[in-house]
Amino acid sequence: EVQLVQSGAEVRKPGESLKISCRTSGYTFSNHWIGWVRQMPGKGLEWMGIVYPDDSDTRYSPSFQGQVTISADKSINIAYLQWGSLKASDSAMYYCVRHRSGLRLIDYWGQGTLVTVSS
Amino acid sequence: QSALTQPASVSGFPGQSITISCTGTSSDVGGYDYVSWYQQHPGKAPKLMIYDVSDRPSGVSPRFSASKSGNTASLTISGLQAEDEADYYCSSYTSSTTLTFGGGTKLTVL
Repeated sequence: EVQLVQSGAEVRKPGESLKISCRTSGYTFSNHWIGWVRQMPGKGLEWMGIVYPDDSDTRYSPSFQGQVTISADKSINIAYLQWGSLKASDSAMYYCVRHRSGLRLIDYWGQGTLVTVSS
Repeated sequence: QSALTQPASVSGFPGQSITISCTGTSSDVGGYDYVSWYQQHPGKAPKLMIYDVSDRPSGVSPRFSASKSGNTASLTISGLQAEDEADYYCSSYTSSTTLTFGGGTKLTVL
């Protein structure tokens, strides 16, 4: 059974850094693109970007390029999303997602990690 | 502004059928048969309902069907049930080798 288990909710102040994680199991981690989707409170889904764990190739939505870093450690089957300097507007639910058939679709979702950025 | 356009809301009575549209461009919906639909209940993670325009994953009810014509994809739910009340999102592969979502449609079962 494919499982994506995300790290817990985080509360940070503006300007702080943060790295959240997504621990996977039940499939060959290296062979599927894995990425992140943002959902701001009361809003829709936004595709942020993905990483291919086997060679660490990354793709970002233009909206998120330079704002976040997506990475993966294939030795422990974990994907990461990190910020160097958080803003209040980064407050949202973040979902870890597994892609299938290349980038064509998302077939599995993590449970979500709520990030709150507030002074 | 989302790359794909969906109606903000649709509604229907139990037993009826509803259709949700998803309009893009030739660089996404119209250019590839890689449209997916997701269902999201409040406080839950989205769930894949349709992929590759019209294919259903194992376990998804056949009451859910979908199609595409030109730059517009459509999701149809027949025999509406109370449990279908949720937000629905379309997504499409794009020519930029990324994925993009629609703005989402809130389905209300009256």
